Amino acid sequence: DQQVKQNSPSLSVQEGRISILNCDYTNSMFDYFLWYKKYPAEGPTFLISISSIKDKNEDGRFTVFLNKSAKHLSLHIVPSQPGDSAVYFCAASRTTSGTYKYIFGTGTRLKVLA
Amino acid sequence: ETGVTQTPRHLVMGMTNKKSLKCEQHLGHNAMYWYKQSAKKPLELMFVYNFKEQTENNSVPSRFSPECPNSSHLFLHLHTLQPEDSALYLCASSSTAAGGSTDTQYFGPGTRLTVL
Repeated sequence: DQQVKQNSPSLSVQEGRISILNCDYTNSMFDYFLWYKKYPAEGPTFLISISSIKDKNEDGRFTVFLNKSAKHLSLHIVPSQPGDSAVYFCAASRTTSGTYKYIFGTGTRLKVLA
Repeated sequence: ETGVTQTPRHLVMGMTNKKSLKCEQHLGHNAMYWYKQSAKKPLELMFVYNFKEQTENNSVPSRFSPECPNSSHLFLHLHTLQPEDSALYLCASSSTAAGGSTDTQYFGPGTRLTVL
């Protein structure tokens, strides 16, 4: 049973437009969420995170939104650039139990078209 | 060298071979992790070491044997693997393994393993 789901395996967006990547989770005990970006032949790179006490966190062109009632988070990239083309993974964890376990989604491949 | 490095980047081995994967982190972290990524599956946590002590073995078969001689180095010893063990093996490190915003995990580039 997958606790973290990324239902869109791929997404294409025009350069300059907004990219929205979605992630759903089932475990209401998750309280810390992260997004990683992965280029081919490289490991995942940490992008942005959010704690469950917030509903939004911004870092430059990247914003993560958390809707706890819907158990849904999204990553917005504005404006999208061709260099953003990569696979994006969301991950969730339960920090209150002192656990380090990240549960990852299967990833969404973003392609930004020039 | 900075960040998390892994060697080799690619490995092809037969089912009767013994090989080792190496991970080194240059971030001053105290926790290190092994993950497995199979095609179209999420990253799966295999092992966790915190201050050189193994704190997690996620029901990994004994043909995978980790070793953490110090906080900067992590090995994964492989023997008598099966073709279904072919995957990308990723190493990560974090400040500690306590969880939370201060323990963000940073990944190496991975070793692409093919078992024939």
